[in-house]
Amino acid sequence: QKEVEQNSGPLSVPEGAIASLNCTYSDRGSQSFFWYRQYSGKSPELIMSIYSNGDKEDGRFTAQLNKASQYVSLLIRDSQPSDSATYLCAVRGASYDKVIFGPGTSLSVIP
Amino acid sequence: GAVVSQHPSWVICKSGTSVKIECRSLDFQATTMFWYRQFPKQSLMLMATSNEGSKATYEQGVEKDKFLINHASLTLSTLTVTSAHPEDSSFYICSARDHLASSTDTQYFGPGTRLTVL
Repeated sequence: QKEVEQNSGPLSVPEGAIASLNCTYSDRGSQSFFWYRQYSGKSPELIMSIYSNGDKEDGRFTAQLNKASQYVSLLIRDSQPSDSATYLCAVRGASYDKVIFGPGTSLSVIP
Repeated sequence: GAVVSQHPSWVICKSGTSVKIECRSLDFQATTMFWYRQFPKQSLMLMATSNEGSKATYEQGVEKDKFLINHASLTLSTLTVTSAHPEDSSFYICSARDHLASSTDTQYFGPGTRLTVL
């Protein structure tokens, strides 16, 4: 079983819709969870981090964490074409220095 | 915000040569830096964790004699790809963690270095 799994996509949503990105992880001891956005040919940029169960909102982005289900998601409200990118879920497991990245989900927002 | 730079941003070299990539934290001190490699349409693969003043910790399958990492100061880590071959062509990305930040988990990424070995 891979440590961090994501649907590879591509996920296509119309402009203005809500995009929902999902991620599951295998290490039950994981403490920190991150969502990064990566445009083609560029390095990842941090969108959000979440550490506790529940929702965390930042502008149009909401991260949701459920440690019991080992599940973390990212919702993007009012999706814009500029949101089209690959979204990487990253998880810091029990080993403090190691952050594992998922394979990424490609999102396409259609004007 | 925390800024991480990499140099060079791209490099083309001949097979058999060595290439050095620098990663710098510009406005913070980083006791820990990470080196990733990303092949086209694939996710980031952690190559090694670099700790200031000590030897790097390499991930399974990464040849430490081929990918030399030096983290001599709190703001600089270098990755040297020795005797590069075409299969080493990839996007190399470093990240750094601000050890003084309230959230010491957050990693800030450099812009990446695209290596092409002919």
